[in-house]
Formats: sequence, structure tokens, C-alpha cells
Amino acid sequence: GGIITQTPKFLIGQEGQKLTLKCQQNFNHDTMYWYRQDSGKGLRLIYYSITENDLQKGDLSEGYDASREKKSSFSLTVTSAQKNEMAVFLCASSARGQGAGDTQYFGPGTRLLVL
Amino acid sequence: TQTVSQSDAHVTVFEGDSVELRCNYSYGGSIYLSWYIQHHGRGLQFLLKYYSGNPVVQGVNGFEAEFSKSDSSFHLRKASVHWSDSAVYFCAVSANTGKLTFGDGTVLTVKP
Repeated sequence: GGIITQTPKFLIGQEGQKLTLKCQQNFNHDTMYWYRQDSGKGLRLIYYSITENDLQKGDLSEGYDASREKKSSFSLTVTSAQKNEMAVFLCASSARGQGAGDTQYFGPGTRLLVL
Repeated sequence: TQTVSQSDAHVTVFEGDSVELRCNYSYGGSIYLSWYIQHHGRGLQFLLKYYSGNPVVQGVNGFEAEFSKSDSSFHLRKASVHWSDSAVYFCAVSANTGKLTFGDGTVLTVKP
């Protein structure tokens, strides 16, 4: 088995601030994902990466940057936090670089609140 | 473009009852369908998935789902729910990439 670790667990920021969220996985998976989850809504894909140093935009990439520094880690940066923004950011990984049907494994999430 | 619809935002049942959580999708080609569960304050956990073959697939903890091409549906069922099944359930579809498209989720509340 493996685990996905997300840091920090809670993040409180100020309007306009640049905020970075980190994700580590020890599954040795090729593909990693960042999702945003708003209250009462499904997950929306922000960025994903199929291998080290690869980046692919999802449906919600505007306002975010991402970095896949090494196979086991994937960072997400909120480039300018929006006032009263509140969401959970979920990191996930899956085994293969491409191909449908792979099970995704999720971290516990980072809860963001912007004052 | 693939879309997923979960028509029931909230479902409440009593412990021991059966339950069906509904999922409908739209996509013209071959797709994978899956269900994930999210307990309060946690990440999502995989329950089961379908691509081809027997339209009824078994998952963990007594859950099963049935694929229907004619109805474009992939409903999740459990014969006898336990209080620990209270969670949010997400249906998801993926086409020929690894990207998942999620529904908005159904909150299942199991009363004692």
C-alpha cells in the first residue's frame, strides 16, 4: 500500500497572496492530479502531470500554477488568492501515465480560507 | 465532452435499509465509470468501476453498481446499509485519457 500526504492541512491566506500547497505520494505512481472541491460540488481538475516535469492544464487552471519537481511530489500555487475564497484542494495519483480507467488515490486535502 | 449527473443531492435511509444512488452520464464513445466515497473531512476512496463485460460490478463493503447503456446510467446499490456508510458518494467517468469527470455528489445519511 501507499499513502498521499498533503501539506498544510489548513491554509489561511490574505487577498492577493501567493499560496503554495504540496503533495507527496509513495505509490511510485506516474500520474498526479490537483482538484478543487467547493462545498456541495464535485471535483474540478486544475492541473495534472503524467511524469516528472510534465504539466497538463485541467478545466480550472486559470489562477493557478503547478510544478512536478520529482516523481513523488506535485505542488500547486494559487497565484493571487481571492477574498472570501473557501475550498478544499485534493491531490491524487494513479499508476499509469495515460489511459483510461486507472483508479485514482486521494490525499486528505488542504482546506483553504482567504480572509 | 463527457458529463455526469447525480440527480439526488441528499438521500436519507435507516440502518438496514437498501439504498440506490443514481448516476447518469452522457458521452458518445467508450468510457470507464466509477464510484468514489468521501467520508467527512477525508479524501475520496475508490469503490468500484466498470468498463466492459458483466454490467453488474461488485465493490468493497457490499456495494455494487449496474451499468445500463440504454439508460446511460451507472447506479450504485447496497442491500443493507450501516451507519458507517454515511458519506458523500461521487460518480465519475473517464474517456480515453486518465482524466475523471465527477458528478456533484450525493450525500447519504444513514439513521440508526
